[in-house]
Amino acid sequence: DADVTQTPRNRITKTGKRIMLECSQTKGHDRMYWYRQDPGLGLRLIYYSFDVKDINKGEISDGYSVSRQAQAKFSLSLESAIPNQTALYFCATSDRVSSGYTFGSGTRLTVV
Amino acid sequence: QKEVEQDPGPLSVPEGAIVSLNCTYSNSAFQYFMWYRQYSRKGPELLMYTYSSGNKEDGRFTAQVDKSSKYISLFIRDSQPSDSATYLCAMRDSNYQLIWGAGTKLIIKP
Repeated sequence: DADVTQTPRNRITKTGKRIMLECSQTKGHDRMYWYRQDPGLGLRLIYYSFDVKDINKGEISDGYSVSRQAQAKFSLSLESAIPNQTALYFCATSDRVSSGYTFGSGTRLTVV
Repeated sequence: QKEVEQDPGPLSVPEGAIVSLNCTYSNSAFQYFMWYRQYSRKGPELLMYTYSSGNKEDGRFTAQVDKSSKYISLFIRDSQPSDSATYLCAMRDSNYQLIWGAGTKLIIKP
């Protein structure tokens, strides 16, 4: 099993729909992150969480919300999806000591 | 101006060539510098990281940091088609957040 698992892998949804992307990890890491990746823009941080009771906005949090259900689970919601939220979404984890992040395989989201 | 600049490429080189990938940055407080490799339809994976200035070697890969010039490089020797991927640089800021370059797409031609 992958260390960081994202579901679904692909999703097409309509404008205005609510959608949830899920992430679970078996690394035992405290810190979890949600990024979106767009061509030419690289990775942009949406939200991050340093533990279950800690949630922080990243640089592009508008239109998104998150929930840290457990140390191992961190979900991202789009309350009312819009076409410019079409992107590749990644969940990542890290511990407190090392600088390296472990990424999931991503969710390709298309909003039509 | 972005804090981290990276040429998106694509960079296309023949198999066996030495590849040089680079990033520049503006924040002199960055201390940890990382290179990630991302294959198509996969998440980025950590390739190498270095602390402060200097070189670090791992097999065919060498990471170099020049803090005086705010410039980091990744060199790949004896490049292989399997090295074809997008390479992202990342730097850790004082809040322990990673600041990312946009990524350079590398193509190694057989």
